[in-house]
Amino acid sequence: DSGVTQTPKHLITATGQRVTLRCSPRSGDLSVYWYQQSLDQGLQFLIQYYNGEERAKGNILERFSAQQFPDLHSELNLSSLELGDSALYFCASSEWGQGADEQFFGPGTRLTVL
Amino acid sequence: GNSVTQMEGPVTLSEEAFLTINCTYTATGYPSLFWYVQYPGEGLQLLLKATKADDKGSNKGFEATYRKETTSFHLEKGSVQVSDSAVYFCALSEVYGGSQGNLIFGKGTKLSVKP
Repeated sequence: DSGVTQTPKHLITATGQRVTLRCSPRSGDLSVYWYQQSLDQGLQFLIQYYNGEERAKGNILERFSAQQFPDLHSELNLSSLELGDSALYFCASSEWGQGADEQFFGPGTRLTVL
Repeated sequence: GNSVTQMEGPVTLSEEAFLTINCTYTATGYPSLFWYVQYPGEGLQLLLKATKADDKGSNKGFEATYRKETTSFHLEKGSVQVSDSAVYFCALSEVYGGSQGNLIFGKGTKLSVKP
């Protein structure tokens, strides 16, 4: 158990819909990352937050947004969903968000868009 | 930009065989290098890491050495077990700059170990 929790575990929805994925980081970790894992693209970094502030953006679509709340949990919002958004979405956390930090991964949310 | 290339799988070995999974990287700075492992149905977990040239990371019998001259971080284990069956990801993270901490992953190598 990494200490990172993600809900829901599975999500099935239709094209055009909007969903919210939730992540609670490991106790004491200030930085949260979101990654997308798909068969064709592999594991890709989406976005990073540190202590409530956005720190870096990766290959995140404009239809996607995220935030980190004062209690440090984070939410990833996916809107106008397309079939190609079906993937496993991982949240990870680290203590300081620095390059050498170990990142602790949650179990993921599997999103299926029909 | 930064990137990681690792050997594509799947790799199938018999128990007690020697394992090597090749990983090379391209980076503009001085990255930290990682191997993460993903067991079926689970999230990723750190297997080992190295933060500077010539560092050797090791854990659970796995080893990898940060080779700056060949930009490589190959994963090795002398004697694999059935329980090592998983997907292995090589990754890098910049240590400085705006993108520090963000992991760039290779495509993953699926390892199956047969009894």
